[in-house]
Amino acid sequence: SQTIHQWPATLVQPVGSPLSLECTVEGTSNPNLYWYRQAAGRGLQLLFYSVGIGQISSEVPQNLSASRPQDRQFILSSKKLLLSDSGFYLCAWSPAGTAGNTIYFGEGSWLTVV
Amino acid sequence: AQTVTQSQPEMSVQEAETVTLSCTYDTSESDYYLFWYKQPPSRQMILVIRQEAYKQQNATENRFSVNFQKAAKSFSLKISDSQLGDAAMYFCAYRSSHYGGSQGNLIFGKGTKLSVKP
Repeated sequence: SQTIHQWPATLVQPVGSPLSLECTVEGTSNPNLYWYRQAAGRGLQLLFYSVGIGQISSEVPQNLSASRPQDRQFILSSKKLLLSDSGFYLCAWSPAGTAGNTIYFGEGSWLTVV
Repeated sequence: AQTVTQSQPEMSVQEAETVTLSCTYDTSESDYYLFWYKQPPSRQMILVIRQEAYKQQNATENRFSVNFQKAAKSFSLKISDSQLGDAAMYFCAYRSSHYGGSQGNLIFGKGTKLSVKP
């Protein structure tokens, strides 16, 4: 069966420091991969998605970037964190191919920028 | 643009009773997918149930079922025999059937917080 792992679970970083959140998927090949952010009391906002290695699409302008160095690895990064980057970040995956495939989420990462 | 509305910010149900969470959406598309996700205090987003718009039959998953009214653009979730573990935020979500562009764009409602009383 497929599993998705995301780490670290909790992160406290000072303003201006770099960020790296990692996500890996097991048990499937060539998945679509996503990074979402959830603001307090809100649903999820799509930040990035990827349909293959090195292929990244950004949905919103921001201080963050994403990379996919391997088929089942997705990384969310920042060179210099802002206070506004604080939030709950979720990595997710869906099977490649058919539109409308269910999206499955990781455990999430709490980021607090201080 | 598609929108998803959950009009009940909070709901409460007695253990073993049945509760229905409401969701409406707006779209000009005829083919799409609808989901209910559960987010417990751990914050992980867990799929509860999925409905394809082209299917007339309402989806069911154990104690969870939906009432999908395509013409009314309504997609409610019914939880039967509620359990303490059902307490969570529940999000309704929409996904287009179009492949391309924002392929991951699940459009979420703002959620309904469900409390289960023992």
